[in-house]
Order: sequence, then C-alpha cells, then structure tokens
Amino acid sequence: QVHLVESGGGVVQPGRSLRLSCAASGFSFSYFMMHWVRQAPGKGLEWMAVISNDGRSIYYADSVKDRFTISRDNAKNTVYLQMNSLRTEDTALYYCARDNPDYWGPGTLVTVSS
Amino acid sequence: QTVVTQEPSLTVSPGGTVTLTCASSTGPVTSDNYPNWFQQIPGQRPRALIYSTSSRQTGIPARFSGSLLGGKAALTLSAVQPEDEADYYCLLFYGGVRVFGGGTKLTVL
Repeated sequence: QVHLVESGGGVVQPGRSLRLSCAASGFSFSYFMMHWVRQAPGKGLEWMAVISNDGRSIYYADSVKDRFTISRDNAKNTVYLQMNSLRTEDTALYYCARDNPDYWGPGTLVTVSS
Repeated sequence: QTVVTQEPSLTVSPGGTVTLTCASSTGPVTSDNYPNWFQQIPGQRPRALIYSTSSRQTGIPARFSGSLLGGKAALTLSAVQPEDEADYYCLLFYGGVRVFGGGTKLTVL
C-alpha cells in the first residue's frame, strides 16, 4: 500500500529556512517522479516542484524557483524540499505526491510569521 | 505566467450530470498538456480522479469521465451523488512545469 508522510513543518520567522521531508513506502520509490504541492489556508492547490525518479530532471514553479530546492535520496525513500528566504505568503499546507500525481500524503503545515 | 482557469462554482441536482472545464491562457488544451483532475473534500488531501485527459485512476467510478471539449479539458460527472460535493482541480503539464487551475466548488443541491 502506497504511503507518503510529510514532516518538517512548523512556525518559522520570515527570512529563515526550513527543510521538509516526505518519507515513502509501499512502492518502488526509485521508479517514480515526486512532486511538492502547497495549499494556503482557504485557497486552492499550487504546484511547486517535481523531481524525476533519478533526480536528474527538476522543474519549479516560477513563484519559488529561486528560493526552493527539491531533492531526493532513493536509498532512504525520501524526497525533500529546502525552503529558503521564507515569506509570510509561503504559509501553507505542503503536500508531497507521487507520479501523475496519484497518491498524496496528508501534508505538513508551514507557518511563516514573526 | 501561465494561468489555468476553471469555473469558480457550479451547482448540480442529485442524479444529474455536470461538466467542469479547464482552460489554458497559452491556447487550446491538448492531450500534450496531460490534463489531470482531482477532488478535494474540505479538510482532506486531494484525491486523484483522472490522468492523461481521460484515464481513470484506480478505484474511480465510471461516472467520472475526462475529455477535451472545445479547446478545454473537461471533467464530466454523471449520476451525481451528494458525496460528490467538493472542490475540483485540474492540473496541466507545460513541458515539465505543471499548473493547477483555481478550482471549481461543486454544490449538489
């Protein structure tokens, strides 16, 4: 059974950094691309980034491409999102998702506030 | 910046049929945009419904169908049930980058 669990969220001050993790299980992680998607409170879904199965191909949304970095460790079945220079507008529930995307984790909440 | 546009809200009667659409600011939506559709009930994670225009995800009933219609991606719900009341999002592919639509709030009334 496919299982994705995000972690690393919390309250952080503007300008600081945070690294999110997404632990995967129940499937051959190294065969699938992985996405990060966020949802601000009361708002719609916003696609953030995708990384190919081998990590060689990466794409970002324009809104974050100079501040966020997606990476993965196939030995640990984990995908990461490094978020730098955080802004109040980055406050959201951050989801990781597999492939199409088809399976989603429950999300981890990031609150950027002074 | 690419904008993907959906109807903000739609209402349908139980047992009825409704079509949601998804338009791209770059031009007609085609199969090369690999349209995806998701359902989200408030407080829950998104649920994948359709990928690559018209392929249903595992376990999705046949009353959910995807297509291309008049230059847009479309999601049609047939025999609508009260539990279909939710937010629906499309996702389009642009050569690597993906963009979500703003979502359609579907009310079953």
